[in-house]
Amino acid sequence: DAGVIQSPRHEVTEMGQEVTLRCKPISGHNSLFWYRQTMMRGLELLIYFNNNVPIDDSGMPEDRFSAKMPNASFSTLKIQPSEPRDSAVYFCASSLGQGSTEAFFGQGTRLTVV
Amino acid sequence: QKEVEQNSGPLSVPEGAIASLNCTYSDRGSQSFFWYRQYSGKSPELIMSIYSNGDKEDGRFTAQLNKASQYVSLLIRDSQPSDSATYLCAVNTGRRALTFGSGTRLQVQP
Repeated sequence: DAGVIQSPRHEVTEMGQEVTLRCKPISGHNSLFWYRQTMMRGLELLIYFNNNVPIDDSGMPEDRFSAKMPNASFSTLKIQPSEPRDSAVYFCASSLGQGSTEAFFGQGTRLTVV
Repeated sequence: QKEVEQNSGPLSVPEGAIASLNCTYSDRGSQSFFWYRQYSGKSPELIMSIYSNGDKEDGRFTAQLNKASQYVSLLIRDSQPSDSATYLCAVNTGRRALTFGSGTRLQVQP
């Protein structure tokens, strides 16, 4: 099993530009999570999908952030326009079921907005 | 009050000793509990899960859960320098995604 696959691994962009992060969950997993990790705030949930439907997006910081899951094997997290405070490591994770089951993380995307 | 609380450390133990990592949570409805290990610059890696009160052992790792006290811990026996990492406690109510603590940094001194 290839695990959760994220791309790109690193992204450096200028303030105001659009950034799109991509995630392929583990095959057969029906829950997908986007987390953001910073030194100050730790690991924060941004949005959670179950069977491709957004269940909880209360962690999305503001309207500049949007996420989609058009099918069971692909999700995107988009930031438009990006700001320096969005600099963080963004992780995608997936799990077999809704809620209680074990979640497995991708390698993350390190985003730097200058 | 944070939903999941951990001491940030660093917790320093000598090689071969037992490392004890602790976590408290605020939601009494929490149903499942996990420990993740995260090396610097890497992603969180699941090492233990526990769902019922008591102890669960897996190799050198033992997870302990006390729902009445809203407390979960991780013991690492015979600590090795390779165990040096940040350990994240994660809690799930069953309806939401995992909520993570801020992590405890463990340093195992050779």
